[in-house]
This record gives sequence, structure tokens and C-alpha cells, in this order.
Amino acid sequence: AIQLTQSPSSLSASVGDRVIISCRASQGVSSALAWYQQKPGKPPNLLIYDASNLESGVPSRFSGSGSGTDFTLTISSLQPEDFATYYCQQFKSYPSTFGGGTKVEIE
Amino acid sequence: QVQLEESGGGVVQPGGSLRLTCAASGFTFSSYAIHWVRQAPGKGLEWVAVISYDGYHKFYADSVKDRFSISRDNSKNTLYLQMNSLQPEDTALYYCARKHVPGIVPASCDYWGQGTHVTVSS
Repeated sequence: AIQLTQSPSSLSASVGDRVIISCRASQGVSSALAWYQQKPGKPPNLLIYDASNLESGVPSRFSGSGSGTDFTLTISSLQPEDFATYYCQQFKSYPSTFGGGTKVEIE
Repeated sequence: QVQLEESGGGVVQPGGSLRLTCAASGFTFSSYAIHWVRQAPGKGLEWVAVISYDGYHKFYADSVKDRFSISRDNSKNTLYLQMNSLQPEDTALYYCARKHVPGIVPASCDYWGQGTHVTVSS
């Protein structure tokens, strides 16, 4: 199975900061990668699909980039509602897999 | 609006069985693949299984292969997960999630249910 390694596993940031989260795949997944946001007690929410496409209704401060094995999720200006855990997921091949998550906390 | 509602969770002893159900509404169920994803308490997301829109193609995580079985009834807009030989490490919140686009091409998940809790304990 393709393994996804997210870094960092957690970070502290302030409102207005630019935040970058990395996701590295153990083998190439082309652009078959998604990013989700999850808040406590809630299901995941799709942010980015196909590596760089913004899901409908998601604020434009979120962006995704990358292809092959290296991907990033960028939050251009962190807002109070963005404090959450973020996951990447590959769907290039089954079994699909998720990264271990990145928890974004208030500094 | 698109809705997914899981049910069937509960407490079961190791070695036992449980069948989860995911009731779908608000979209053409028979056009979309559906996934099961689980989350152990305080842990990250783990992909479990997927079934194609027509039910012919099924894929599983290595951790559940040969123990879990995914199925669907398009006439009832319902997805199932039959879980056998349950172990304590299967304890988790189980979500069903719709594939982002209809058809056969793999894709991300755009709509998720609220989940149903499964606890495996003696």
C-alpha cells in the first residue's frame, strides 16, 4: 500500500499566519490526492481534490499544489475557524490511504 | 441535500460480528461509489473499504480483508459493512462517505455521514 507521510504532525500558529503542510507519498500518485479538514466531533470536510482543485464553498485562502510524491496544503492567512486537524488522502490505487494528520493549534 | 446516515454500531465481544448500515438520500445513489472510513478514539483516519456504484468492484484495507465485507442495495439506497471476527483494534467511529464524482474513476470523498461507534471489548 502507498504510505503518506505528513509533516509536521502538529504546529502552532497565529491568526494571519501563512501555514504550509506537507504530504509525501511512498510512490507516485500523480494528482490523485485530496486534503481534508477535521474539527473535533465532526466528520472530515473536503478542501482540495485532485491535488490542486478547491472544493466548492471552501475559502480561497486554502490552496493545494504538487504532483507525483510531494504535495503541500497552504493556508494563506490563518483564520480562527481554521484551527483543526488536516489530512491528506491518496486515491491513485486501492487500498486508499490517509496521512497521519497535522494538528494546527493556536500559538 | 446529500445525506448519509450510519447505524448499526454498538458494543461487541472479541470474535463477534456486527453489520453497519449507511442510508443515503438526496442524490442518485446508484451512480456513486461509497467508502467506509474509520477513526479510532484519538487517532487519525483509516480507509476501510470501497464499493463501486454498481456493486461489482470492491476493495479493502489489508487490516480488514477477509474479515469485513462491503455491499450495497441500490434499490434501497443503502450501503452495508459486514464485520466478522472483530478485534479490539477495530474499535472506532465508522464513517460512510460518497465518492466525489460518479462513475468508475477513483476520487476523493465529498460527503460524509456523522459516523457510528463500534466498540470491541470483553
